Amino acid sequence: DAGVIQSPRHEVTEMGQEVTLRCKPISGHNSLFWYRQTMMRGLELLIYFNNNVPIDDSGMPEDRFSAKMPNASFSTLKIQPSEPRDSAVYFCASSSETTGVAFFGQGTRLTVV
Amino acid sequence: AQTVTQSQPEMSVQEAETVTLSCTYDTSENNYYLFWYKQPPSRQMILVIRQEAYKQQNATENRFSVNFQKAAKSFSLKISDSQLGDTAMYFCAFMKHGSNYKLTFGKGTLLTVNP
Repeated sequence: DAGVIQSPRHEVTEMGQEVTLRCKPISGHNSLFWYRQTMMRGLELLIYFNNNVPIDDSGMPEDRFSAKMPNASFSTLKIQPSEPRDSAVYFCASSSETTGVAFFGQGTRLTVV
Repeated sequence: AQTVTQSQPEMSVQEAETVTLSCTYDTSENNYYLFWYKQPPSRQMILVIRQEAYKQQNATENRFSVNFQKAAKSFSLKISDSQLGDTAMYFCAFMKHGSNYKLTFGKGTLLTVNP
């Protein structure tokens, strides 16, 4: 397996634009997590899914953020409209309940100017 | 809600020496997992070691071992024979056993291994 795949690796966008981050989890994993990492706030859990269903989205900062998981092999995190304070590294991770081990993608570095 | 606390924002160690990173957590659960992840400058999050709460034996992976004290809710990471490549941010993490449970991280400890 290629591991968790995120795209793009880097994204630079202008304030007000829509940004979509993509994630392909490891096949067979039934949990998927989206995290945001900044120097100031560390690793923040934004939302997590279990069997494609959103379980806890309490970490989503505001209505500008939305996440979907239409099937077991794909998830998106969308920011609309984007703001400079959204600049961060966004990680996707997946895990299976049999081991509990979460495997992370390479992350997307988002810069909003 | 579960919380994970890493009280050492930064630490340093000389190459070949041993260092211990601290982690405490708060939970009312009895069955859970604990993890240490490493994040080198490449920013990739890498699993270092995993402990299941029902196992009394401390987990070991080569030069990495843990001291799991369930009653004290403590989960420290010991790195023996430190190498320059161990320089990284280290995160302690908690997850309840089973499905539908999130992975909660501490704020991390930046470890620098000096030559």
